[in-house]
Order: sequence, then C-alpha cells, then structure tokens
Amino acid sequence: DARVTQTPRDKVTEMGQEVTMRCQPILGHNTVFWYRQTMMQGLELLAYFRNRAPLDDSGMPKDRFSAEMPDATLATLKIQPSEPRDSAVYFCASGPGTSEVGELFFGEGSRLTVL
Amino acid sequence: AQSVTQPDIHITVSEGASLELRCNYSYGATPYLFWYVQSPGQGLQLLLKYFSGDTLVQGIKGFEAEFKRSQSSFNLRKPSVHWSDAAEYFCAVGARNRDDKIIFGKGTRLHILP
Repeated sequence: DARVTQTPRDKVTEMGQEVTMRCQPILGHNTVFWYRQTMMQGLELLAYFRNRAPLDDSGMPKDRFSAEMPDATLATLKIQPSEPRDSAVYFCASGPGTSEVGELFFGEGSRLTVL
Repeated sequence: AQSVTQPDIHITVSEGASLELRCNYSYGATPYLFWYVQSPGQGLQLLLKYFSGDTLVQGIKGFEAEFKRSQSSFNLRKPSVHWSDAAEYFCAVGARNRDDKIIFGKGTRLHILP
C-alpha cells in the first residue's frame, strides 16, 4: 500500500535547536509539497518541488527554514534555529504531477513543539 | 494567484440530516477544485475533484460537489450524514498554469449530533 512516510511523528525541542523533518514520497510521484498546519492559520504552503527542483518556497521564512530534495525518495524540511512560533504540524504530500494535478497524498504529519 | 474561502469554521448537523459545506474561490480562470477530509491526528484524504466537464462531481463516502462558475463556488454536499463523517473538511484550489500549486482553505470542522 503506497503511502507518504514522515519522520519524526512527534518532536519536542527547545528554542534555538535545529529541527529536521523528513519525508519519503510515494514512488513515482514527481511533486512534493510541505504544508504547515496551525489552528490560527490553517494549512499554509511552505514549499514545493517538481522533479526535485524547488518551484516555490515563498511561504517559508527564509532566514530559518530550508527545504531540499537530495534524491527522489527523500525530502527534508529544516528549521535552524527553531522558535516557539514554529510549533505546528508539518505535512508532506506528494502527487503524480501535472497529469493529475492536485491529487495529493498526505503523510500523517510531524507534530513539532518548540519550548 | 488563487485563493479559497470557507466561511464556516464549525458546522453541526444531526445524524441523518443533509449537509452542505461552503467554498468560494478566487482565480482568474477556471481552476482545479478539490475537497479533502482530515480525521483527527491524520493527514488529508481526497474526497473529490473537479477538472472540467460535468459540474456536479461525485466523490467517495457519498459526497458530491457542484462547481458554479457564476458564484465562484464549489460547495460540498451529502444527503444524509453519518457519525463517522465528523472531521475537518478542506476545500482547495489549483491553478491551470502547470505550476502545480495547491492552496487550501482554512477548513470547516463538522460535528455530528446523535
């Protein structure tokens, strides 16, 4: 059963620490999205990739967030240094690309708490 | 750039009653439109989508949605809700310019009364 896998599921860290979240997209999918979900803002698009190339990361705070796809099976979202306002659930989603736009398959999310 | 508004943060209906969740979008052309559902502690699951053609689309779990261009709306409906439908529902819009960007509304939380 193909699914998007995210790690860690839960992360508690202290302010100023580096946090790295990982995502394994569904094999064969060529688009990968990172979303952040909070009660106040809902689902915010942070960044997305097509064929491992970043297309748009305008939703990310550039001074502390970075997103990469070192290979087709791994996407990473890094926060350095982390701040309490970064506490949220971070979702990764992958999709088959423009042939079926929008059919995103979501991971179960990484819940980040920054103390 | 596209955007989507879900005017209702919370909706409560009785089990067996009909349901309509509202969604309005903003986009310069006909967008791609979607409804997703999120159960507690889970990621989002696609319920249905509109790309083109018939403006009434059927989805999983007995849901349907109707695209109304004149109203820029894509409301989700179900004739009779079940307690298991309690969840958060997200409307999403995608652009037809091949940039793959999908923007979500803030969601509507559905509560079901027994």
